[in-house]
Amino acid sequence: DAGVIQSPRHEVTEMGQEVTLRCKPISGHDYLFWYRQTMMRGLELLIYFNNNVPIDDSGMPEDRFSAKMPNASFSTLKIQPSEPRDSAVYFCASSLRAGGGSGANVLTFGAGSRLTVL
Amino acid sequence: GESVGLHLPTLSVQEGDNSIINCAYSNSASDYFIWYKQESGKGPQFIIDIRSNMDKRQGQRVTVLLNKTVKHLSLQIAATQPGDSAVYFCAVLNSGAGSYQLTFGKGTKLSVIP
Repeated sequence: DAGVIQSPRHEVTEMGQEVTLRCKPISGHDYLFWYRQTMMRGLELLIYFNNNVPIDDSGMPEDRFSAKMPNASFSTLKIQPSEPRDSAVYFCASSLRAGGGSGANVLTFGAGSRLTVL
Repeated sequence: GESVGLHLPTLSVQEGDNSIINCAYSNSASDYFIWYKQESGKGPQFIIDIRSNMDKRQGQRVTVLLNKTVKHLSLQIAATQPGDSAVYFCAVLNSGAGSYQLTFGKGTKLSVIP
């Protein structure tokens, strides 16, 4: 398996532009997570899906952020309009299950998408 | 809510020595704990996990110790190697909270001196 695949790896855009980040989870994983990583705040959970359904989006910072999972093999995180404070590394992760207890619950992360908003 | 802290932001160790990375958490209901390693330009990678019904778990060159009384866990790396240089994160979960809110610490940067 190629692991969790994210694109683009790097994105530089101007304030006000729309940004779309993409993720392909590991085949067979039922859970997909979007995280944001910054130096100041560390790793923050934005939203997660179970079987393509959003379960908890309480971490999504504001209405400018939206996430979709149209099928089991693809998810997008969209920022519109983007702002300089959105600059961060965005990670997608997937797992077989969620909750503690066994290796099946362990998150496998993608390599991340580094976003710079000028 | 949950806050997760680390005692040291950076740690330098000599190659071959043992490393100990510490993590404190605040929510006594937390019952699942994970250590991740993040190398530069990569996503976090799973190292080892432990449930709250255990106080010690060993892997290959790594040991995680959990002290629920003082809400503290540590990651011990034996015979540290240059390839161990990375940022290490602890993450905690309250699996009974109804949401998979895995809370990550800020990270400790481990530098191995050859």
